[in-house]
Amino acid sequence: AQSVAQPEDQVNVAEGNPLTVKCTYSVSGNPYLFWYVQYPNRGLQFLLKYITGDNLVKGSYGFEAEFNKSQTSFHLKKPSALVSDSALYFCAVRDNTGGFKTIFGAGTRLFVKA
Amino acid sequence: SQTIHQWPATLVQPVGSPLSLECTVEGTSNPNLYWYRQAAGRGLQLLFYSVGIGQISSEVPQNLSASRPQDRQFILSSKKLLLSDSGFYLCAWNNRVGTDTQYFGPGTRLTVL
Repeated sequence: AQSVAQPEDQVNVAEGNPLTVKCTYSVSGNPYLFWYVQYPNRGLQFLLKYITGDNLVKGSYGFEAEFNKSQTSFHLKKPSALVSDSALYFCAVRDNTGGFKTIFGAGTRLFVKA
Repeated sequence: SQTIHQWPATLVQPVGSPLSLECTVEGTSNPNLYWYRQAAGRGLQLLFYSVGIGQISSEVPQNLSASRPQDRQFILSSKKLLLSDSGFYLCAWNNRVGTDTQYFGPGTRLTVL
């Protein structure tokens, strides 16, 4: 079965420190991977995606993600966290079973302390 | 550029009352359209998706229904709301071809009392 796992419910970092939000996936065929961010009472915003090519993908707001095929991971990273990065982050993978669906992880809440 | 609208933004309804939430997309044609529900500020549950006018796929059996009367309009309905229908409802779209990035609307907060 195709799935996405975000093993951490919550990640706490201090402002200025690097942050990592973890994601692992299980999908048949080539994975199309995504990260989205959600601020309180708002819709999800697209951050970045991996389709093919360079394993390090750069996205919005200084975020990047590293695709690791052998570990089936797609961790979200940022070199220096900001308080304004505090939000709910979702990893997602396209469902490759022939439909039009995207499978979302359960979400990881990021808290950045000043 | 493409935009997606949802209304209303918030809604408080009594148990047993009907529901109609609307989603419209501008600036694109023939989109795939999706309804999600998010409970307690966490995971997304896919409720319905549509690949064309009148074409609706339901993901989970429930008290809700969806319709797509026009290419860029997606409606979520219920004849009688339950307490368990409370949540944050998100509409999303993506292109039928390409890399499937989904773009979300601002959401509707529904409280059933």
